[in-house]
Formats: sequence, structure tokens, C-alpha cells
Amino acid sequence: GAGVSQSPSNKVTEKGKDVELRCDPISGHTALYWYRQRLGQGLEFLIYFQGNSAPDKSGLPSDRFSAERTGESVSTLTIQRTQQEDSAVYLCASSLGLYNEQFFGPGTRLTVL
Amino acid sequence: ELKVEQNPLFLSMQEGKNYTIYCNYSTTSDRLYWYRQDPGKSLESLFVLLSNGAVKQEGRLMASLDTKARLSTLHITAAVHDLSATYFCATGNAGNMLTFGGGTRLMVKP
Repeated sequence: GAGVSQSPSNKVTEKGKDVELRCDPISGHTALYWYRQRLGQGLEFLIYFQGNSAPDKSGLPSDRFSAERTGESVSTLTIQRTQQEDSAVYLCASSLGLYNEQFFGPGTRLTVL
Repeated sequence: ELKVEQNPLFLSMQEGKNYTIYCNYSTTSDRLYWYRQDPGKSLESLFVLLSNGAVKQEGRLMASLDTKARLSTLHITAAVHDLSATYFCATGNAGNMLTFGGGTRLMVKP
């Protein structure tokens, strides 16, 4: 079946611009996660959604970052007024529920010039 | 704060050799994940370890979990070039937010 999909696969933007990254989770997965991976490093948790509960935003690095999820489907990660340090691969994952195995999408490579 | 440390960070080995990657974590957790990442690609799930003493094997890779020692190992047997990749361990706490180790970049030389 279809896995987690993300778009765009690559995004180049100028410093100060806003960007939106999209994630389509696996159908039926109630939990959705966003992570950031800087070059050569491990993953940093950003935010997760579980069903209709309030999202856990504890990993968002600043108030320029926000995310939304429509029901148990698509999620959008928005970065406002991008900075060069925001350059990274943004990975989305989904799971059947909390504590279940997470399946990762291909990521969006963001480059802020 | 949960911290996850992997070692070594970089491993170069000859085909046919055996080696172990170690993953230590700082606070109690009852589940541990191993992922593989090829260059420019996303993460592929390898193992999910959910209990103390759990051992799972897939091909030349075997993973184990010791929750008392807060240690997981990924053992490579008779390495082949196709195993070259970066391997991450991760563990979760409240809400299944995963905390990842820094990764072990494995290069297997023919």
C-alpha cells in the first residue's frame, strides 16, 4: 500500500520568506509526527498529532514554526520568515497510534539562501 | 531530558567481518527502534524492540535490548557492502516522541 508521502521533495527559498511543507500519512494512521534532520545529524522531534487531541508542540524551535493537521489526514508544517539555520530535511512519519512503529516519508529538503 | 548516544559514530569495516553498534539511553524506556538511512533517502525501519531481553534478527543484522542497562546493540555478522548506510537507534517516552541517537555511519569495504 501507499506509504507516507511529502511534498515538495525539494524547496529553495530566500531568507525571510514563508514556506509550507505537506505530509500525507498512511491511511488509517492516527498519529503523525514531524522531525528535522540537519546535515550529518540525527533527527530532532518537532511536533506530533494524535487523533483529535491537542498536538504536542514541545519540539518546535521557535514561534516561527507551526503545524496543522486536518482530522486524521494531511498535515502542513509552516515556517515563517525563514532563516538560514532552518535549512534541513524535514521528515514526516505516521503510526497506527501512539507507541506503534513510525513509518517515515521521503522528506522535504529545505534550503534557505 | 532523554538522551540517546550511539557509538561508534563512524565505522569502516571489511566485508566478512563482525561488529557491534551500541546505543545507550539516559532514562527509562520500554521500547527501542533501529532505523537504516541510505544517503539522500528517508529512514527504513529495521527493528522494534519492546521488552527487556528482546532479540530480533533479520539477515546479517541482530538487535537486542537490555532495559536495565539502558542499552541496545545492533550486531552485524559477516558484513557485506550492501549494509553500508547510516544506522540510527531511537527510543520513545511520553507520546511516542522519538529521541534519536546521532547515527552510526557504516562503510563496508569490498
